[in-house]
Amino acid sequence: DIQMTQSPSYVSASVGDRVTLTCRASQYISTSLNWYQVKRGTAPNLLIYSASILQSGVPSRFSGSGSGTEFTLTISSLQPEDFAAYYCQQTYISPHKTFGGGTDVEI
Amino acid sequence: QVQLVQSGAEVKKPGASVKVACKTSGYTFSNYDVSWVRQAPGQGLEWMGWISGYNGSATYAQKFQDRVTMTRDIVTRMAYLELRSLRFDDTALYYCARDVRGVSLETAAAYNYFDSWGQGTPIIVSS
Repeated sequence: DIQMTQSPSYVSASVGDRVTLTCRASQYISTSLNWYQVKRGTAPNLLIYSASILQSGVPSRFSGSGSGTEFTLTISSLQPEDFAAYYCQQTYISPHKTFGGGTDVEI
Repeated sequence: QVQLVQSGAEVKKPGASVKVACKTSGYTFSNYDVSWVRQAPGQGLEWMGWISGYNGSATYAQKFQDRVTMTRDIVTRMAYLELRSLRFDDTALYYCARDVRGVSLETAAAYNYFDSWGQGTPIIVSS
């Protein structure tokens, strides 16, 4: 089975910081990688799909990059509403759609 | 607009079954799949499986293969998740999500993501 590993599992940051989160796949997944934001008590929100495409309505301070097995999500200037958990998801190894373990971004 | 509205919280005893409903609106039901995802307290997201809105065929994560059934009703635009032989560690928030698949006209690359989610259904397994 494919494994998705996110690092770090926790990051402490301040408003205005540039934050980079990493997601590694245990095997090749091309650019079939999505990023979601989960705030406590709310449903997940799609941020990035296909590794680098910004979902409509998502602020441009979010960006994604990578291909193959290594991917990053960058928040260029952290805002108070960005403190949340972030999950990557692979959809290349059909038909399974595995999530990573998540990264908590906290103050 | 696209909406997915789920049924309410349930409390079940170990060994029982639970069925969660997901009512969809705002899009052509048969053109999209529905995936189910759960999140246990203090844990991450866990994909459980998906069902085709078109033909009702379902694919399950191996972990749930022998305990889960996903169905859909195209007339009422509903998707359902049934989980059997409940255990304490099935206590979680269960989500349905619209599962979007396609091919980019610009790059010819396939895409697949969950763009709209239900509000979540808490399932508590307690004796």
